[in-house]
Amino acid sequence: EVQLVESGGGLVKPGSSLKLSCVASGFTFSSYGMHWIRQAPKKGLEWIALIYYDSSNKYYADSVKGRFTISRDNSKNTLYLEMNSLRSEDTAMYYCAKLASPGAYWGQGTLVTVSS
Amino acid sequence: DVVLTQTPPTLLATIGQSVSISCRSSQSLLHSNGNTYLNWLLQRTGQSPQPLIYLVSKLESGVPNRFSGSGSGTDFTLKISGVEAEDLGVYYCMQFTHYPRTFGGGTKLELK
Repeated sequence: EVQLVESGGGLVKPGSSLKLSCVASGFTFSSYGMHWIRQAPKKGLEWIALIYYDSSNKYYADSVKGRFTISRDNSKNTLYLEMNSLRSEDTAMYYCAKLASPGAYWGQGTLVTVSS
Repeated sequence: DVVLTQTPPTLLATIGQSVSISCRSSQSLLHSNGNTYLNWLLQRTGQSPQPLIYLVSKLESGVPNRFSGSGSGTDFTLKISGVEAEDLGVYYCMQFTHYPRTFGGGTKLELK
């Protein structure tokens, strides 16, 4: 059974940093590109980052470019999102996802709240 | 960026009714490799999104065949042939032909 379990969210102040993790199981993690997608409260979905299976390429949404860094450790089946210079508009549920189909899958998400 | 426009934003249906959702793209989603990377997702209340359809019309494993997808280029449609209670929620289209990947604004399916 595919599982993606995010962690690391919480309440932080504007300007601070946070690192999210996503542990994968049930599929060959090292063979797939992985994504982070977020959803602000009562809003739609926003794609924010992609990392290739071998970390050779990384892509970011303009809204997070230069502040967020996606990375992965294939030996630990873990995806990361390092978030710096956090702003109130970064408040959202953050999902990691394997979007490659067939067999696309989303985690349950971890909530990040940026507030003073 | 590619803008995906979904209509209608809200859809009221009765159980057993057939409904359709439109997703219109600001650019063609036909990739140079010949594939069209247009997916549909369902997000039930309080849950993470569940993938339904990929490559315009292919059903993910376990998705009931009352769901179907069609379209090409810039115009796409999700059809539910006989709505069931478990189908209620917000439907999103998503493209990953172009960077950045983008989502439609969502269509909320509710009971009439």
